[in-house]
Amino acid sequence: DGGITQSPKYLFRKEGQNVTLSCEQNLNHDAMYWYRQDPGQGLRLIYYSQIVNDFQKGDIAEGYSVSREKKESFPLTVTSAQKNPTAFYLCASSARDSLYEQYFGPGTRLTVT
Amino acid sequence: QKEVEQNSGPLSVPEGAIASLNCTYSDRGSQSFFWYRQYSGKSPELIMFIYSNGDKEDGRFTAQLNKASQYVSLLIRDSQPSDSATYLCAAGGAAGNKLTFGGGTRVLVKP
Repeated sequence: DGGITQSPKYLFRKEGQNVTLSCEQNLNHDAMYWYRQDPGQGLRLIYYSQIVNDFQKGDIAEGYSVSREKKESFPLTVTSAQKNPTAFYLCASSARDSLYEQYFGPGTRLTVT
Repeated sequence: QKEVEQNSGPLSVPEGAIASLNCTYSDRGSQSFFWYRQYSGKSPELIMFIYSNGDKEDGRFTAQLNKASQYVSLLIRDSQPSDSATYLCAAGGAAGNKLTFGGGTRVLVKP
């Protein structure tokens, strides 16, 4: 089955710890994205990548880091510098010729206490 | 000011009726528009996209775009309880090569 997988579904961490969220896709999409969603709110873009070994900051990149070493994978690290890391994190991907037609993975719900 | 605006709802609709959702956007450079459905606790699912002025129909869903008025809408005909969800409007094609999302409209379809 083609699709986007994110793991884990739920993640709990103590304040001050870095944590890495996984995102893998087998859709052969060039572009991948990370969004954050807070309760009752829309999606905010953290980082995106349109090609391997290249990525750009979105609207709320502070306290996050990413890598894009393979086309299929776009992991997100939430660092201890992120002041309010508890949120629902969504990974998405899109094809090169339809960048705005984005498809989402199931999400990871991160809770930091 | 949010670039994509939606009424947060809830929009309460009797089963079998038409649900009408509205979305406005501020950036005239936006070229493509998307509607996502998001069930509680789940990720968004793309249900419609529209690029040209006018209507686009897909099953029970109709998307309408008016670029002059910077207005996008989604109609859900013969609403079912399974349509109860939050509907996110998104605009793409403006500066920055990214999708901008509205806050979503919560729809409740009552049997």
